[in-house]
Amino acid sequence: DAGVIQSPRHEVTEMGQEVTLRCKPISGHNSLFWYRQTMMRGLELLIYFNNNVPIDDSGMPEDRFSAKMPNASFSTLKIQPSEPRDSAVYFCASGGLNRLVGTDTQYFGPGTRLTVL
Amino acid sequence: AQSVTQPDIHITVSEGASLELRCNYSYGATPYLFWYVQSPGQGLQLLLKYFSGDTLVQGIKGFEAEFKRSQSSFNLRKPSVHWSDAAEYFCAVGAPSGYSTLTFGKGTMLLVSP
Repeated sequence: DAGVIQSPRHEVTEMGQEVTLRCKPISGHNSLFWYRQTMMRGLELLIYFNNNVPIDDSGMPEDRFSAKMPNASFSTLKIQPSEPRDSAVYFCASGGLNRLVGTDTQYFGPGTRLTVL
Repeated sequence: AQSVTQPDIHITVSEGASLELRCNYSYGATPYLFWYVQSPGQGLQLLLKYFSGDTLVQGIKGFEAEFKRSQSSFNLRKPSVHWSDAAEYFCAVGAPSGYSTLTFGKGTMLLVSP
């Protein structure tokens, strides 16, 4: 298994530009999570999906951020317009999540390091 | 709401010495517990997890953790640290029911001295 795949691995852009981060979860996993990691705030959960449906987006910092999961094998996190304070490492994770069983193990991708100038 | 406390921000251990990283959680019942490791520039890798059963859990890379309900703790241990263990370690807690996500601690940075 290739694990969780994220692209690009590094992104440098200028303030005001649109940024799209991509994630391919592990095949068979029914939940997908987007996190942001910074030195100041640590690891923050932005949004998560179960069976392609957004369950909780309360961690999305503002309307400039949006996430989609059009099918079980692909998700995007978009920032438009981007700002310097969005500079961080963005991780995608996938796992199995069963409403009856609860939390399952999350497997993380390698992350996308975003720098907004 | 669940929460996780990792009281040590940094720990320095000599190579070959034993290691214990502390993790305390707050949750109303027995949670699911996890330890992840993050090497520089990498994603988080699962070391071990506890869902139920034996309270001493074995993981990869020679790590183990012990769930102590009375102390609300899930400390990570390794009998002999290698230089390659230098990384940041995250404890996480999850709920055993409903739609639930993981709550992560702030992390403990492990430095290994020669």
